[in-house]
Amino acid sequence: DAKTTQPPSMDCAEGRAANLPCNHSTISGNEYVYWYRQIHSQGPQYIIHGLKNNETNEMASLIITEDRKSSTLILPHATLRDTAVYYCIVSYGTGNQFYFGTGTSLTVIP
Amino acid sequence: GAVVSQHPSWVICKSGTSVKIECRSLDFQATTMFWYRQFPKQSLMLMATSNEGSKATYEQGVEKDKFLINHASLTLSTLTVTSAHPEDSSFYICSARDRLGGAHEKLFFGSGTQLSVL
Repeated sequence: DAKTTQPPSMDCAEGRAANLPCNHSTISGNEYVYWYRQIHSQGPQYIIHGLKNNETNEMASLIITEDRKSSTLILPHATLRDTAVYYCIVSYGTGNQFYFGTGTSLTVIP
Repeated sequence: GAVVSQHPSWVICKSGTSVKIECRSLDFQATTMFWYRQFPKQSLMLMATSNEGSKATYEQGVEKDKFLINHASLTLSTLTVTSAHPEDSSFYICSARDRLGGAHEKLFFGSGTQLSVL
């Protein structure tokens, strides 16, 4: 079962920052947080991941709270192509499996 | 970046037949691959963990005799849906982890296979 909960949907104006929250209150000390997104009928696309420090790459920033019980994915300047379902995942298990939750459907509005 | 190739992209088959789906890591080796299925408007559900050279580990409720998984090399895993029925119609997605990246390396996903059973 997924260890994460996310709001089912969000809207964001084009050009503005999109802030997507995720709760993972049962995360353990060595479990990472990963973010992926999925556009209809395609495989999930990797965005970013982290353990406890904030991370930034060319796509997004990941802010993890100090207690690691929640995180926020930030898309700094949302475009229409960012419309997708965003999944926050905490991997666990002997094979560090990814159990997907319900995700957040982000709609970027012109 | 790393690429996972999945084939075929879509397949239509008759009820009672078997269908094989291939998942290849093109530019890295993967000791572990994962198979998911996804129904319309739902999230991805992990079916099984495919381990190179050994038996796959199936999630609770997934029939291992129905969904045969073979991971014979470090770059190829296959999922065979045996005696497919209309309720097996779904979007099947594989993923792989670069064995050189460590246990917490991100997963790379294939583009998925849409299976329709008539």
